[in-house]
This record gives sequence, structure tokens and C-alpha cells, in this order.
Amino acid sequence: DAGVTQSPTHLIKTRGQQVTLRCSPISGHKSVSWYQQVLGQGPQFIFQYYEKEERGRGNFPDRFSARQFPNYSSELNVNALLLGDSALYLCASSYSTASTDTQYFGPGTRLTVL
Amino acid sequence: DAKTTQPNSMESNEEEPVHLPCNHSTISGTDYIHWYRQLPSQGPEYVIHGLTSNVNNRMASLAIAEDRKSSTLILHRATLRDAAVYYCILRDSYDTGRRALTFGSGTRLQVQP
Repeated sequence: DAGVTQSPTHLIKTRGQQVTLRCSPISGHKSVSWYQQVLGQGPQFIFQYYEKEERGRGNFPDRFSARQFPNYSSELNVNALLLGDSALYLCASSYSTASTDTQYFGPGTRLTVL
Repeated sequence: DAKTTQPNSMESNEEEPVHLPCNHSTISGTDYIHWYRQLPSQGPEYVIHGLTSNVNNRMASLAIAEDRKSSTLILHRATLRDAAVYYCILRDSYDTGRRALTFGSGTRLQVQP
């Protein structure tokens, strides 16, 4: 079975630009979460979606937005990129939002902002 | 959120057992203890979780203190592939509106051949 897939693998943008990252969850999983991991730190929660509705939001500015589609795939958008947005962006899927549900992570998208 | 405290780094020799400690003195009665690990250049992966009793699976064992204020992840025979950052995470079983994993800095495990 295919795991969580993310695209693109790597991305280079300049300050002020906008970026869209994509995530396809494991088949049958209805929840997708997004995390940002800056070099040397643990992942930080950005958003969680379940059945196309936002169920949780971390402490990130409004420049960050996301959505989930009917097929449960998801997009993360970041506007007006800053140098500090350079990070590994991880997507995780789970069957539901229950705290005992395992979250399965994709390999991430490495975003570099110049 | 209840917080966890882990050592920054640990070293082990290949084929020896490894005990990774985690302190969570402010844990609530409804918090599950989860462990994830992140191998180099990969996303985190689930290892094990438990509530009160010790747990075993094919990857590891989780020993939970009787007062639940600490826990230990046990790798019975470390391999080079186990070199990773290990994260101890608490997750509330009730609906708090925050349904995400809260990662700390984790423990970087180095395994020597």
C-alpha cells in the first residue's frame, strides 16, 4: 500500500512569493495534518483537517492556509514568504482525529526561501 | 499541554539494549504516552503508545511508571538503523480542540557498530 505522498520534494522560492504544497493521504484515511520542521528542531503543528473541515490550528500567522479536498488530499498555502519560512513541511494522515490514532508521515517538502 | 523532558542525546552499541527515558510530571489521567522516531532525512514514524500498563510491539517496549510521571522506551537490541531522534509525546484522549502531536526536541540516539 502506498504511504503518504507529498509534492514537490524540494522547492526554492524568493521572499514575497507564494507557495502551494500538496499531500495525498493513505487510502482510507480521512484526516490530514501539516507540520513545519525547522532545522534542528522538532516538528511544529500548523493545521489539522478532517472530512474537509479544519479541526485544529497551531500558532502560525494568517499567511498560512490549507484546505482538504473531497478525496481527502490536502494543500498547504503560504503567502508572502519570509526567510524564516525555510523548513521541511511534513504532512501526516490518520484514519480519524482520535488521540490513539497513529499519524503516518510523508517524507516532507523541503522549502528554501532566498 | 502537559510537557515532556528527554535527554538531548544518548549513545548505544549495536545489539545492546537501549533505555530512552522521558519525564512527564504534569501528565493528566487522560493523557496517552506516545513515542515517535525520526530517521535522518525522513518524516517521523510511530513507535508505540500506552496509557497505564506496559506495552510491547515488534519495534519496542514501553515501560510506564506506576505514578505515570515517567516512562521508558526500550529497544531490546539496537541496530544501526535505530539511530534516530526519538520523541516522547503526550496526547489527551478527550476532545480538547487540539488534535495534533506536540513534539519537543527529542533524544538523538547514536548507535555505534
